[in-house]
Amino acid sequence: DAGVIQSPRHEVTEMGQEVTLRCKPISGHNSLFWYRQTMMRGLELLIYFNNNVPIDDSGMPEDRFSAKMPNASFSTLKIQPSEPRDSAVYFCASGRTSGVQKFFGPGTRLTVL
Amino acid sequence: DAKTTQPPSMDCAEGRAANLPCNHSTISGNEYVYWYRQIHSQGPQYIIHGLKNNETNEMASLIITEDRKSSTLILPHATLRDTAVYYCIVRVGGGSNYKLTFGKGTLLTVNP
Repeated sequence: DAGVIQSPRHEVTEMGQEVTLRCKPISGHNSLFWYRQTMMRGLELLIYFNNNVPIDDSGMPEDRFSAKMPNASFSTLKIQPSEPRDSAVYFCASGRTSGVQKFFGPGTRLTVL
Repeated sequence: DAKTTQPPSMDCAEGRAANLPCNHSTISGNEYVYWYRQIHSQGPQYIIHGLKNNETNEMASLIITEDRKSSTLILPHATLRDTAVYYCIVRVGGGSNYKLTFGKGTLLTVNP
């Protein structure tokens, strides 16, 4: 099993640009989570999906952030327009509703200049 | 979700047992205790979880006090690769369709 796959692994962009982060969950998992990690705020849950439906997006910081899950094997997190304070590591995680563990991907390190 | 309190850092000698404490004095009867760890630059990794009984798996043991107000994660023979931030999380429910709220955790440093 390849685990949770995230792309790109590193992204450097300029303020005002659109950024799209991608996640492929583990096959058979029906829950997907997006987290953001910074030194100041630690790990924060942004949004999570169950069976491709957004369940809780209360952690999404602003309207500039949006997330989609068009099918069970793909999700995107989009930031438009990006700002320097969005610089962070973004993690995607997946799991089974009947299971216990969340499996985290390797993360995308985003730098907004 | 109940709040947890962990020491910010701990040291352990390689080969010795690492005992990581966690206080969760406001835990309610249907809340589980979960432990995850995050090795530098990697995503968090599940270690173990429990409700009220002690639990053991291939990675660690979890000891929960009888009143459930605190718990200890035990790594029986710590190695250098166990150096990581360890998060104790209390949450209702045992399925994976739930939110995990991470605190600051404990940075465990295993020394040679």
